[in-house]
Amino acid sequence: GAVVSQHPSWVICKSGTSVKIECRSLDFQATTMFWYRQFPKQSLMLMATSNEGSKATYEQGVEKDKFLINHASLTLSTLTVTSAHPEDSSFYICSGGQDFYEQYFGPGTRLTVT
Amino acid sequence: GQQLNQSPQSMFIQEGEDVSMNCTSSSIFNTWLWYKQDPGEGPVLLIALYKAGELTSNGRLTAQFGITRKDSFLNISASIPSDVGIYFCAGYTNAGKSTFGDGTTLTVKP
Repeated sequence: GAVVSQHPSWVICKSGTSVKIECRSLDFQATTMFWYRQFPKQSLMLMATSNEGSKATYEQGVEKDKFLINHASLTLSTLTVTSAHPEDSSFYICSGGQDFYEQYFGPGTRLTVT
Repeated sequence: GQQLNQSPQSMFIQEGEDVSMNCTSSSIFNTWLWYKQDPGEGPVLLIALYKAGELTSNGRLTAQFGITRKDSFLNISASIPSDVGIYFCAGYTNAGKSTFGDGTTLTVKP
């Protein structure tokens, strides 16, 4: 149980375009979903926390107008990277659960912006 | 913000050997979590620690929450090839802030 999926698993997009990443909890309801980014050989950096039906809470330094997060249901959250640039290339990982102590991570989405 | 110093950065060991890694911080944490991440995958929770001094085991893994609440260690006994991966510690504070360590990359030689 407690499976989280992400789609797509990898995506290549051109600079200036937007890309949407989906995060789904398959067999449980995720009250809270977290979005992280991870650079190669580096740690996970929390970008934002979202609770179903309310606006996401962004970490300091994360542009909320650039990284749009929607948590419309207890099983789906989306992250849209708007006007992507090469420096946005990264591994984006979502997790779902009740809170930080109990979160189940998705397999990640590799974004490459050319 | 809080920083977690995780060491060692990488380890190369022989199958069957024991492994020890730790995380330290100048900040106090309420909760310590240890995760393992395989390449191209999301992290998987290994052990959660909620109380200072707590020692918890999960199979061959043992983790402890330091008495000062500023550190934690993870031990893996009798390593096997599938232990290969990146191990992360994560701390959570009273203020609701979470921080991940930079990871320890473990390589196990058969």
